[in-house]
Amino acid sequence: AQSVAQPEDQVNVAEGNPLTVKCTYSVSGNPYLFWYVQYPNRGLQFLLKYITGDNLVKGSYGFEAEFNKSQTSFHLKKPSALVSDSALYFCAVRDLRGNNRLAFGKGNQVVVIP
Amino acid sequence: EPEVTQTPSHQVTQMGQEVILRCVPISNHLYFYWYRQILGQKVEFLVSFYNNEISEKSEIFDDQFSVERPDGSNFTLKIRSTKLEDSAMYFCASSDGGGSADTQYFGPGTRLTVL
Repeated sequence: AQSVAQPEDQVNVAEGNPLTVKCTYSVSGNPYLFWYVQYPNRGLQFLLKYITGDNLVKGSYGFEAEFNKSQTSFHLKKPSALVSDSALYFCAVRDLRGNNRLAFGKGNQVVVIP
Repeated sequence: EPEVTQTPSHQVTQMGQEVILRCVPISNHLYFYWYRQILGQKVEFLVSFYNNEISEKSEIFDDQFSVERPDGSNFTLKIRSTKLEDSAMYFCASSDGGGSADTQYFGPGTRLTVL
């Protein structure tokens, strides 16, 4: 079955510093990978996705993610973190067991310290 | 920007009662989904729905659950007889296509508390 792992529970970063949220995946076949963000009392907001093509994917709010096939990773990055980036971040993979369900990681809490 | 909306934001019910969670997907989307997140656990897929029928369901989605698109705008999840373990955040999502590359857009969720 397709799955993703987010190894860290919480990521703390100082405002202005680079932010990285890690995700590794396990799939059979081509991976379709997604990042979502959840702000307090809000739903899951789509940030970006990797389907095919360039390994560096750019998304909303200045985020980008790098697909690395050899390391089976899809880490989310932002060059300069803002306090407003403090949220819960979820990595997800299209689960090819079925038609179009997403399989989510457990999420990472990002805390950006002013 | 179009959004998925869900009502209510929080529902409290007694064990054994029926609940209906409501969602309004993005207007031109054709594929609809329900997911849930039990506190402290992963977001889990429940069901997908297309063309007025269930296209896929998970092992969680047993006979106590049902979905319906009662009109052109709403998409509902019904739990017939709630259990304590149904307490979770329930997310509705929609997408304009059903392919692997299509993005699912999520609503803000309904927090269901079963007492």
